[in-house]
Amino acid sequence: EARVVESGGTLVHPGRSLRLSCAASEFAFHDYAMHWVRQGPGKGLEWVAAISYDSGATAYADSVEGRFTVSRENAKSSLYLEMNSLTTEDTGFYYCVRQTPQYYFDTWGQGTLVTVSS
Amino acid sequence: SYELTQSPSVAVSPGQTATITCSGNNLGEKYVTWYQQRPGQSPVVVMYQNDKRPSGIPERFSGFNSGNTATLTIGGTQAIDESDYYCQAWDSGRAWGVLGTGTKVSVL
Repeated sequence: EARVVESGGTLVHPGRSLRLSCAASEFAFHDYAMHWVRQGPGKGLEWVAAISYDSGATAYADSVEGRFTVSRENAKSSLYLEMNSLTTEDTGFYYCVRQTPQYYFDTWGQGTLVTVSS
Repeated sequence: SYELTQSPSVAVSPGQTATITCSGNNLGEKYVTWYQQRPGQSPVVVMYQNDKRPSGIPERFSGFNSGNTATLTIGGTQAIDESDYYCQAWDSGRAWGVLGTGTKVSVL
């Protein structure tokens, strides 16, 4: 069964940077587009970023454009999210998600918690 | 940017039908996915490409998409269906799917 496990979430001060990682297993990582989705405390899901299977295309939500960078290393079955200029609005659980060719997310991790606070 | 709007909450009695709506400009021209999220858990897909149920999802879940509105219908709602539900729209020209604001379904 396909599995993804996020890591790297922690408490960070506003204005600082943080890098999240996602380790994928039990599937051909290099064949799938991958995404990051976040959920603030008591809030709904928010799509954050996407990267194509070969890193040829990336996309970002308006709220993170210019501050976050998504990348991947297919040789390591790993997905990353580099987050800069963090604000309190970036607080929440960050989920690594696999996209199927049928246009849906079928594999979610348990999330990693990012808390931005002074 | 494209936006999807959902009613914040829906209340339904056990055994009755719950209808969850998702509105967006020309939504009927896009593929819609629906996710169920129980408290403390990661989301699970319950409908994709408007009206297709993944394996393991009960037949009481159905979907429809036309015009500016997509609907997820739960027939014969059970207590286990009490969750937050999110719609998602996919544009074939884009690499991502915007998510809706979410609807909390309460089974009273």
